[in-house]
Amino acid sequence: EIVMTQSPATLSVSPGERASLSCRASQNVNNNVAWFQQKPGQGPRLLIYGASSRATGIPARFSGSQSGTDFTLTISSLQSEDCAIYYCQQYNNWPLTFGGGTKVEIK
Amino acid sequence: EVQLLESGGGLVQPGGSLRLSCVASGFTFSTYAMGWVRHGPGKGLEWVSAISAKDESTYYADSVKGRFTISRDTSKNTLYLQMSSLRAEDTAVYYCAKRSSGWYGFFDYWGQGTLVTVSS
Repeated sequence: EIVMTQSPATLSVSPGERASLSCRASQNVNNNVAWFQQKPGQGPRLLIYGASSRATGIPARFSGSQSGTDFTLTISSLQSEDCAIYYCQQYNNWPLTFGGGTKVEIK
Repeated sequence: EVQLLESGGGLVQPGGSLRLSCVASGFTFSTYAMGWVRHGPGKGLEWVSAISAKDESTYYADSVKGRFTISRDTSKNTLYLQMSSLRAEDTAVYYCAKRSSGWYGFFDYWGQGTLVTVSS
């Protein structure tokens, strides 16, 4: 099973500042990584797929990048509505696996 | 607009059974793979099961293999998850999700979830 390790567990960022969330895969997953945003009481929302492609309707302040088995989600200028838990997920191998999540809060 | 509406959750005793349903609309249900993902209390997201479009191949997490069965009825645009021998650790909000292709791919749309509580 591929383990997806997210860090940090919690990230406190001032409004307008940059937030960088990390996700490391335990083995090669090519670029088959997606990022999701989840707010309380809601289903997850797809932000990024293929490591760096933005999903339909996602604001340009969200971007994804990859370096080997390290993946990063960047929010270039944090807005209050971005407070949520963010999950990475690999869909390269069975079983599909998610990271443990990073909670983003406003400082 | 893609919509996924789950139902069937509730309170069930350990060892009991429950069937979840997910009615899909806004896309051609028969041509996309689908899946179930759960979110337990104090836990992260956990993939549960998936089913492909054409040949309906099925896949399960080890934690539910042999106890849960995923299926789909294209005439009703509905995805199902039959859960049996339920355990306390199966307590979670269960989400239905659409995959981006007929075989695999990422989950591009999700429902709002249905809560399953396993307790005596």
